Amino acid sequence: EAQVTQNPRYLITVTGKKLTVTCSQNMNHEYMSWYRQDPGLGLRQIYYSMNVEVTDKGDVPEGYKVSRKEKRNFPLILESPSPNQTSLYFCASSLSGMGANVLTFGAGSRLTVL
Amino acid sequence: AQSVTQPDIHITVSEGASLELRCNYSYGATPYLFWYVQSPGQGLQLLLKYFSGDTLVQGIKGFEAEFKRSQSSFNLRKPSVHWSDAAEYFCAVGAQDTGNQFYFGTGTSLTVIP
Repeated sequence: EAQVTQNPRYLITVTGKKLTVTCSQNMNHEYMSWYRQDPGLGLRQIYYSMNVEVTDKGDVPEGYKVSRKEKRNFPLILESPSPNQTSLYFCASSLSGMGANVLTFGAGSRLTVL
Repeated sequence: AQSVTQPDIHITVSEGASLELRCNYSYGATPYLFWYVQSPGQGLQLLLKYFSGDTLVQGIKGFEAEFKRSQSSFNLRKPSVHWSDAAEYFCAVGAQDTGNQFYFGTGTSLTVIP
C-alpha cells in the first residue's frame, strides 16, 4: 500500500530533550515536506526537500532541523524542544514539488513539550 | 504573494442539508486547486483537484467543486451531508512554477448535527 509513515504518533517530552520524528514513504517520491498544524493557523510548512540532499526552509523553520540522506526518509529533528513546539505534525510527499502534484500525507504526530 | 483564504472557520449543518465551503485564492496565473479533508485523528486526504478543463470537478464521497476564475474562488459543495462528513476541510493551491509551490488555507471545521 502506498503510504507515508510517521513515528511516533504521540509523544510527550520535556523542554530541551532532543527528539526525532521519522517519516518514510514507499512511493519513490522526490518531494517531501513537514507541516505543523495549530488551531486557527492551518498548516504551516516547516521544511521541505526537493530530492536527496536537497532541503530548504519553509515558513516556520526555527527550532527544527531536517535531513534527506535517502529518498524514502525525511526525519524532523527538534534539537532542544520548547513548549511553543507543542503541535500536530504532518509529513507529506509527492512525485515532485511542482504544484500539479497531489500530496500524500502521513497520519500525523502529536507532540507535547512540557 | 500567493495566498489561500477560507473565510469560514467553523460551519454547522444538519444531516441531509446541502453544504458549501468557501475558498478564495490569490495567484497571478491559473493555479492548480485542491480540496483535502482531515477526519479526526487522521492525515489529510485528497477530495478533488482542478488542473484545467471543465470548471466543475467531481471528487470522492459525493463532493464537487467549481472553479470561478472571475471570483478567484474554488468552493466545495455537497448536496446532502452525511454525519461521516464531519471533519476539517482544507483548500490548497499549487502554483505553476517549479519548486516548492503548495499553499494551504487555514481550514474549515464542519460539524454535522443529526
